[in-house]
Amino acid sequence: AQSVTQLGSHVSVSEGALVLLRCNYSSSVPPYLFWYVQYPNQGLQLLLKYTSAATLVKGINGFEAEFKKSETSFHLTKPSAHMSDAAEYFCAVSDKSNYQLIWGAGTKLIIKP
Amino acid sequence: SQTIHQWPATLVQPVGSPLSLECTVEGTSNPNLYWYRQAAGRGLQLLFYSVGIGQISSEVPQNLSASRPQDRQFILSSKKLLLSDSGFYLCAWSRDTTDTQYFGPGTRLTVL
Repeated sequence: AQSVTQLGSHVSVSEGALVLLRCNYSSSVPPYLFWYVQYPNQGLQLLLKYTSAATLVKGINGFEAEFKKSETSFHLTKPSAHMSDAAEYFCAVSDKSNYQLIWGAGTKLIIKP
Repeated sequence: SQTIHQWPATLVQPVGSPLSLECTVEGTSNPNLYWYRQAAGRGLQLLFYSVGIGQISSEVPQNLSASRPQDRQFILSSKKLLLSDSGFYLCAWSRDTTDTQYFGPGTRLTVL
């Protein structure tokens, strides 16, 4: 079965700085990989999704993620952080063995002015 | 387009009282439906999922139950709430069990 690890429960960056949120999955290649964002007291919103069409995936709000099979990673990046990016971010992978999405524990992104 | 609704948005209930949270999806048919819980400071916990009417799979043993009386309606219930049932409950739908899940706005439940 798949597993997902998000390194860092909290990540703090300055406004305008690079955002890097890390996600690693277990070794078997999943069909799909996802990043979601959750603002306080709201549901989750899809940021982007990897479907094997291209290793670099562009999403909403200027975010992108790169699938690296050799590193079993799907890290989320944004070149320049905005205050509005402060939220919790979740990585998820699909697991065909039990027909579900497997979720990471989430990373809270804190933006310093 | 598809939309997903949850109600109520917030709920405060005493310990031992019953619970009913409702989720409905519009604009699609035969969706897969999911109930998740987020406890304070914790990630997403899948509680139940359903691939069709009357078909419910439980992921975590607890005093909660789920039902799917109609194709696009998913209900989360409890006969007697516990303090530990407090949290943020999210409903989601997808076209396929391994594909994108779309989330509702959530219900904040506080059990006192």
